[in-house]
Amino acid sequence: KAGVTQTPRYLIKTRGQQVTLSCSPISGHRSVSWYQQTPGQGLQFLFEYFSETQRNKGNFPGRFSGRQFSNSRSEMNVSTLELGDSALYLCASSLVGGMEVEAFFGQGTRLTVV
Amino acid sequence: DQQVKQNSPSLSVQEGRISILNCDYTNSMFDYFLWYKKYPAEGPTFLISISSIKDKNEDGRFTVFLNKSAKHLSLHIVPSQPGDSAVYFCAASFQGAQKLVFGQGTRLTINP
Repeated sequence: KAGVTQTPRYLIKTRGQQVTLSCSPISGHRSVSWYQQTPGQGLQFLFEYFSETQRNKGNFPGRFSGRQFSNSRSEMNVSTLELGDSALYLCASSLVGGMEVEAFFGQGTRLTVV
Repeated sequence: DQQVKQNSPSLSVQEGRISILNCDYTNSMFDYFLWYKKYPAEGPTFLISISSIKDKNEDGRFTVFLNKSAKHLSLHIVPSQPGDSAVYFCAASFQGAQKLVFGQGTRLTINP
């Protein structure tokens, strides 16, 4: 079974631009979550999508947005990039049901804002 | 407000011995806990989890212990192997929410 696939793996953008990252979940997983990892803040939850609807949201500004398609694939978008947005962005997918919330992560997209 | 804390940034253990990684949490609403292992430039890999209705869960060389009264959990790795060298994160969730709160991580180094 294929794992979580994130594209692209690396990205360099200029301050003020926008960026779109893509995530394909494990087949059969309907929940997709996004996390940001930085050296200073660690792993922080951005948002979670299930059945094309955002169910949970972290404490990030509105410049960070996402969506999920009917095939469970997800994209996240960051507009008006700032230097501080440089980070590893991780996507995770989960089966949904009960208390178990094991999330399986992709390899991430390393975004550098210059 | 850091709700999940891993107070040891690093830990060094000899190969074959036991590695014990610790994690504390402050939010008593958390009812599910997980441990992840992460290599550089890769996403975290799920290791083991535990529900708050249990106090222990084992999977091969990995055992997680939960002490709810102390709001503390630990991951035991026995015996430790060189391939276990990585950063370990504990994470917590509540009410089945697909929203994990992570600790800052502990870098484990296994010495031959």
